[in-house]
Amino acid sequence: VVLTQSPATLSVSPGERATLSCRASQSVRTNLAWYQQKPGQAPRLLIYDVSTRATGIPARFSGSGSGAEFTLTISSLQPEDFAVYFCHQYNDWSTFGQGTKVEIK
Amino acid sequence: QVLLVQSGAEVKKPGSSVKVSCKASGGTFNSYAISWVRQAPGQGLEWMGGIIPIFGTPVYAQNFRDRVTITADTSTNTAYMELSSLRSDDTAVFFCAREWNFYGSGSGRSDYYGMDVWGQGTTVTVSS
Repeated sequence: VVLTQSPATLSVSPGERATLSCRASQSVRTNLAWYQQKPGQAPRLLIYDVSTRATGIPARFSGSGSGAEFTLTISSLQPEDFAVYFCHQYNDWSTFGQGTKVEIK
Repeated sequence: QVLLVQSGAEVKKPGSSVKVSCKASGGTFNSYAISWVRQAPGQGLEWMGGIIPIFGTPVYAQNFRDRVTITADTSTNTAYMELSSLRSDDTAVFFCAREWNFYGSGSGRSDYYGMDVWGQGTTVTVSS
């Protein structure tokens, strides 16, 4: 399953809303997660099963979608949210999207 | 809180092998799976394979099936990933990550909670 994330780079001002997209080449049902990665660090789990936030993840992070179209929304960007975000499907083996970089506008 | 602590950076020659370890610190593997993920410089994430230590049978992604060996030692709570026939394009950071289940594990588990604990990463440089 190929996951295509868009846009590749998203320029957003602090406090604004960010919407990231992940499209699958076939249905992955609700078997989709999102990860955040900062330079030099390991990825951090944000969301699994499309919309379930992992332990300790702030409510400003939300996920939606089903089948082959998914969205990660960050409602009000904080300085620590500028990072690269990956989607990950675990419905058919395990594959990741190529990432969306959220940068400061 | 369990941490996954990986072995240090490696520099290898093309054609050789590398073995990276991943030790659970502050706890045990319990019944979790350990997966290995590769990240080439400036690139995305690629799942290589995984193992549920209490079951012992590894599962490999197709792209790595002929070159990777994943094992686990439950007595020391350490998982290992060995990659052979190294090429320059294997230069990457290798991560271990804990997850409850993965596709093809044969565990019979239907629930999933994400890759919730990650090692710090091990940089492997392949250069002549």
